[in-house]
Amino acid sequence: AQKVTQAQTEISVVEKEDVTLDCVYETRDTTYYLFWYKQPPSGELVFLIRRNSFDEQNEISGRYSWNFQKSTSSFNFTITASQVVDSAVYFCALPYKAAGNKLTFGGGTRVLVKP
Amino acid sequence: DAGVIQSPRHEVTEMGQEVTLRCKPISGHNSLFWYRQTMMRGLELLIYFNNNVPIDDSGMPEDRFSAKMPNASFSTLKIQPSEPRDSAVYFCASSLGQGVVETQYFGPGTRLLVL
Repeated sequence: AQKVTQAQTEISVVEKEDVTLDCVYETRDTTYYLFWYKQPPSGELVFLIRRNSFDEQNEISGRYSWNFQKSTSSFNFTITASQVVDSAVYFCALPYKAAGNKLTFGGGTRVLVKP
Repeated sequence: DAGVIQSPRHEVTEMGQEVTLRCKPISGHNSLFWYRQTMMRGLELLIYFNNNVPIDDSGMPEDRFSAKMPNASFSTLKIQPSEPRDSAVYFCASSLGQGVVETQYFGPGTRLLVL
């Protein structure tokens, strides 16, 4: 079985502050991928990043960065210099290989960025 | 390129009525997933198809739910009869393949309210 835990249910920051979202996962697969999705107030689910377990290098995309640490089974997400438009719920997800790669989602972290 | 298309975007119905949700996956994608999002259970997979064939429907709540994929560009999720506890956001997602872990791209969702 698999599990994804996002312990932070809600984070509130003031614009321009950095915010880090934690994601801890459990899997028996030796190789796997991890995903982050964003759900803005409008409700759609927007793909942000896919990482595979072979590559533990940190990834940066604009103000977004991801820190993957296999040793601690964590795949954390940082928003640098947050903006009001970053206000959303962010989900970490792990595909379940034995079930057609269906996604196991964490509970999500709601980020509220105040002006 | 068009993303995953879902219709209707909103549906309000009365208990006992039949509800049909529709999905058009991204052209060329051969895996299609139906997810449901509720406050209590978060995001959970209902059923997925590969090459139009249902592979795993273990997430379908009960016999009132059925899903079909008559061709590569169309899928339906039907609830008959609907109940208030079916109120949720239903997402359709598609991806390129099943054998490898491809990114799932989500539609905008259908917000269902059963009175």
